[in-house]
Amino acid sequence: KQEVTQIPAALSVPEGENLVLNCSFTDSAIYNLQWFRQDPGKGLTSLLLIQSSQREQTSGRLNASLDKSSGRSTLYIAASQPGDSATYLCAVEYGNKLVFGAGTILRVKS
Amino acid sequence: GAGVSQSPSNKVTEKGKDVELRCDPISGHTALYWYRQSLGQGLEFLIYFQGNSAPDKSGLPSDRFSAERTGGSVSTLTIQRTQQEDSAVYLCASSLDRGSPPEAFFGQGTRLTVV
Repeated sequence: KQEVTQIPAALSVPEGENLVLNCSFTDSAIYNLQWFRQDPGKGLTSLLLIQSSQREQTSGRLNASLDKSSGRSTLYIAASQPGDSATYLCAVEYGNKLVFGAGTILRVKS
Repeated sequence: GAGVSQSPSNKVTEKGKDVELRCDPISGHTALYWYRQSLGQGLEFLIYFQGNSAPDKSGLPSDRFSAERTGGSVSTLTIQRTQQEDSAVYLCASSLDRGSPPEAFFGQGTRLTVV
């Protein structure tokens, strides 16, 4: 069964901290992995996509890594800001669908 | 607009009624997905369309749910004889063919409430 797990479920940090969100998946036969952000009552915003042949992707203060063999991905957020507060979702593409984790709820306190 | 557009943004319906939810994907995107997000739950895959291929309907929870995609563009998700457990946010996403980085872009969703 293709399952995606995200740890921690929730995280509260003071502004300025660097932090790591974790994602693990049971089936390593992935096409790609995508990190999304979801604000309350809103849709999903794509943050980073890592293709199966890649090891990492960077965008601004965000860096995502992928280790297919161990079934893991991490999202690193540098110098966190209150505006980063949201739910972060990891999604793994298998064939015709994205399988989502339950998300990490991040709160950055000012 | 340049993004995925869904309508209506909110829908309240009585139990037993049929509802139609609409998705306008990004122009040129051949892949289209429907997902459901229930309160406090993760995103649940419903159906996938890719070009002219037969859709992957493996995620549809019951035969009350159906979806079509006309002309390879606009998609409609139909729920017949709605039940209270159908209440959720229904999200649509589109992406390019797998030949390109197949980044999925999501709409803002339709919040369905069955009373």
